[in-house]
Amino acid sequence: DTGVSQDPRHKITKRGQNVTFRCDPISEHNRLYWYRQTLGQGPEFLTYFQNEAQLEKSRLLSDRFSAERPKGSFSTLEIQRTEQGDSAMYLCASSPTGLAGDTQYFGPGTRLTVL
Amino acid sequence: AQSVAQPEDQVNVAEGNPLTVKCTYSVSGNPYLFWYVQYPNRGLQFLLKYITGDNLVKGSYGFEAEFNKSQTSFHLKKPSALVSDSALYFCAVRDSSASKIIFGSGTRLSIRP
Repeated sequence: DTGVSQDPRHKITKRGQNVTFRCDPISEHNRLYWYRQTLGQGPEFLTYFQNEAQLEKSRLLSDRFSAERPKGSFSTLEIQRTEQGDSAMYLCASSPTGLAGDTQYFGPGTRLTVL
Repeated sequence: AQSVAQPEDQVNVAEGNPLTVKCTYSVSGNPYLFWYVQYPNRGLQFLLKYITGDNLVKGSYGFEAEFNKSQTSFHLKKPSALVSDSALYFCAVRDSSASKIIFGSGTRLSIRP
């Protein structure tokens, strides 16, 4: 399977705990994006990388959130001191380049539930 | 600022009938428009996009969309609906200077046998 993969698919945690999600983009895709989707809403942009450089972060990405893409391949999204409001589906996408017409291909998502 | 509106939360169509899912957008500069479909507990699947050229764009699973610049719309259409088309559909827009995609709130399409 050469699509975008995410791990884990589901995560249940208690409030206050830290969680980390992983995304493996399509091979050789330079751009990697993170989105958050809550029930009944469309995905909301969180951040994106061009290779290993993080180029933009949304205001939604509070200081409890951090994302990395250390070698320009896979990426991790960490949430520290989770809150119930963090419960959502976290989606990762990748695209070949940064051209505006590029298609972003999405992974299956990680569903986070904070108790 | 970019924005997308999907005015219908739900669209119900009988199998075999044509379907339309509406989308309007606001963007400065040239728009890049996308439709994605989401099945339960799965990520978004790309259907089609408009970058430039013909206003009628054809995509996966028999779907097509018509770009209308004067009405700032990009409605998704299919001539004959299938029960398997039942899913959540998202319209999205990007301008030429932005990297992120802005998504609409989604339209749930329900096809009855």
